[in-house]
Amino acid sequence: EPEVTQTPSHQVTQMGQEVILRCVPISNHLYFYWYRQILGQKVEFLVSFYNNEISEKSEIFDDQFSVERPDGSNFTLKIRSTKLEDSAMYFCASRYGTEAFFGQGTRLTVV
Amino acid sequence: KQEVTQIPAALSVPEGENLVLNCSFTDSAIYNLQWFRQDPGKGLTSLLLIQSSQREQTSGRLNASLDKSSGRSTLYIAASQPGDSATYLCAVRLNNAGNMLTFGGGTRLMVKP
Repeated sequence: EPEVTQTPSHQVTQMGQEVILRCVPISNHLYFYWYRQILGQKVEFLVSFYNNEISEKSEIFDDQFSVERPDGSNFTLKIRSTKLEDSAMYFCASRYGTEAFFGQGTRLTVV
Repeated sequence: KQEVTQIPAALSVPEGENLVLNCSFTDSAIYNLQWFRQDPGKGLTSLLLIQSSQREQTSGRLNASLDKSSGRSTLYIAASQPGDSATYLCAVRLNNAGNMLTFGGGTRLMVKP
């Protein structure tokens, strides 16, 4: 069964460093998303991407964040100048019709 | 702004019990509602999706209902098993161009053998 895959599963980075989280959405899907879940909190929407551009972003998704679909298969989230509070589980999701499918997540730990 | 609430936050039941998880949302103009399962430290597995025009969906021992006008959904789990132990999340998608999901805080379920 097709699935959304995310790499790495766990990333540890020093405060101030840049990280790139990678996702391979399901191949025929058209809509792509990033969400995050800080430990013990709700899953929060960050950004949606359609037709090679951002279609919506939350107030969390400020200039520190960027997304890219560099080729036909990958979808990346870049976080610049990471802060301690960026530590969270980051989920990629994709959708063709009505149902969203999520990856297993990347646990980002900023130290 | 859409708010999604799940009650109870945690639930512990003996194996074999039937149980109901509740989800409420403040804006009834939803496009659909999705129930997910999350195992500790893992991703989100989609369980059921209910379109706004539907009243319920069933998959195996799971049944989800939707009352859009009152802003409520329930997830019914029949004959619970220890393997059902996980956190169950509901999420709604609004009926607008902003096609993201808004999540509840989840119900952490423990089914004891």
